[in-house]
Amino acid sequence: EVQLVESGGGLVQPGGSLRLSCAASGFTFSRYWMHWVRQAPGQGLVWVSRADGDGSTTTYADSVKGRFTISRDNAENTLYLEMNSLRAEDTAVYYCARVSSAGTTFDSWGQGTLVTVSS
Amino acid sequence: QSALTQPRSVSGSPGQSVTISCTGTSSDVGVYNHVSWYQQHPGKAPKLMIYDVSKRPSGVPDRFSGSKSGNTASLTISGLQAEDEADYSCCSYAGTYTPWVFGGGTKLTVL
Repeated sequence: EVQLVESGGGLVQPGGSLRLSCAASGFTFSRYWMHWVRQAPGQGLVWVSRADGDGSTTTYADSVKGRFTISRDNAENTLYLEMNSLRAEDTAVYYCARVSSAGTTFDSWGQGTLVTVSS
Repeated sequence: QSALTQPRSVSGSPGQSVTISCTGTSSDVGVYNHVSWYQQHPGKAPKLMIYDVSKRPSGVPDRFSGSKSGNTASLTISGLQAEDEADYSCCSYAGTYTPWVFGGGTKLTVL
């Protein structure tokens, strides 16, 4: 069974940093593109970032480019999101999600971790 | 402001059918057949219900169906059941720069 478990969320002041983790199990982690998607309170889902199987190709939404860094450790089956210069508008539940082998949909999601940016 | 436009809410009685629309552009929904629909109960992770416009993952009831015409995709739920009450979000592939765009979500109420 595919499992994705996020951790690392919490309360952080504006301008602060946080690192999220997503522990994967139940599949060959290195074979899949992995993504971060976030959802602000009462709002819709928004794509944040992605990394290919070995982490050599990464892409970011304009809203986080230059502030967030996605990475992965395939030996530990873990995806990361390093978040710096956090802003109030980064407040959201952050989900890690796996894109299917065909590359056409998010077929598995974690339960999410809440990041709150506030003074 | 989400990239894809969905109605904020829809409702229906048990046994009835409802359709939720998802309007994008010729850069996403209109050009790619990679439209998905996700069901999300409060405080829970999204669950894939429809992918590639009209395909159902195993385990999803055939009461759920998807379609697309031009820049608009639709999710239809027939034979509404109480457990269908949830938020439903659409998602489309949109190319290499911003690969995935989502709708703002539609709250389905089963009366």
